[in-house]
Amino acid sequence: KAGVTQTPRYLIKTRGQQVTLSCSPISGHRSVSWYQQTPGQGLQFLFEYFSETQRNKGNFPGRFSGRQFSNSRSEMNVSTLELGDSALYLCASSSWGETQYFGPGTRLLVL
Amino acid sequence: QQQVKQSPQSLIVQKGGISIINCAYENTAFDYFPWYQQFPGKGPALLIAIRPDVSEKKEGRFTISFNKSAKQFSLHIMDSQPGDSATYFCAARRDSNYQLIWGAGTKLIIKP
Repeated sequence: KAGVTQTPRYLIKTRGQQVTLSCSPISGHRSVSWYQQTPGQGLQFLFEYFSETQRNKGNFPGRFSGRQFSNSRSEMNVSTLELGDSALYLCASSSWGETQYFGPGTRLLVL
Repeated sequence: QQQVKQSPQSLIVQKGGISIINCAYENTAFDYFPWYQQFPGKGPALLIAIRPDVSEKKEGRFTISFNKSAKQFSLHIMDSQPGDSATYFCAARRDSNYQLIWGAGTKLIIKP
């Protein structure tokens, strides 16, 4: 099976802009989770979608949103970008909530 | 109660030595404890996981020790190799309807 894919891999934006990141899970996986990873903060959970419904949500401001489509592909949107949003954004998919399989991430730089 | 505390933050071990990373949790409802390994430029990957009905699980050179009464679990890497140099994350979860709660990570360096 193909692994989790994330696009784009790298992105440069300026403050105030918005960005949309995409994640294609492993075929058959219905759960998609998003994480923000920064050097000093480790893995911070953003949200999880399961069968197109947001099942869990982390402690991030409303500027961070997501959605999941009927084919389980997921998108994450960040509006009004801030410098502090610069990070590696990881997506992980899982079958029935056990092992999470991570993609390579999208590295976002906000200038 | 939702936190998982991981230590140390960084660790340097000689090749052939034993690497030990510890995690502690508070929520007794947690029933799944995985360890993930992350190499630079890659996403984390599951290394080994344990449930609280066993005290130890071994896969090759990697062992999880689990102490339910102390609410602690640890990863032991025997005969550590330079290729084991990576960041290791512990995590815990209540059940599949809840998200994983992650430790802060340990950067492990194995010196040749």
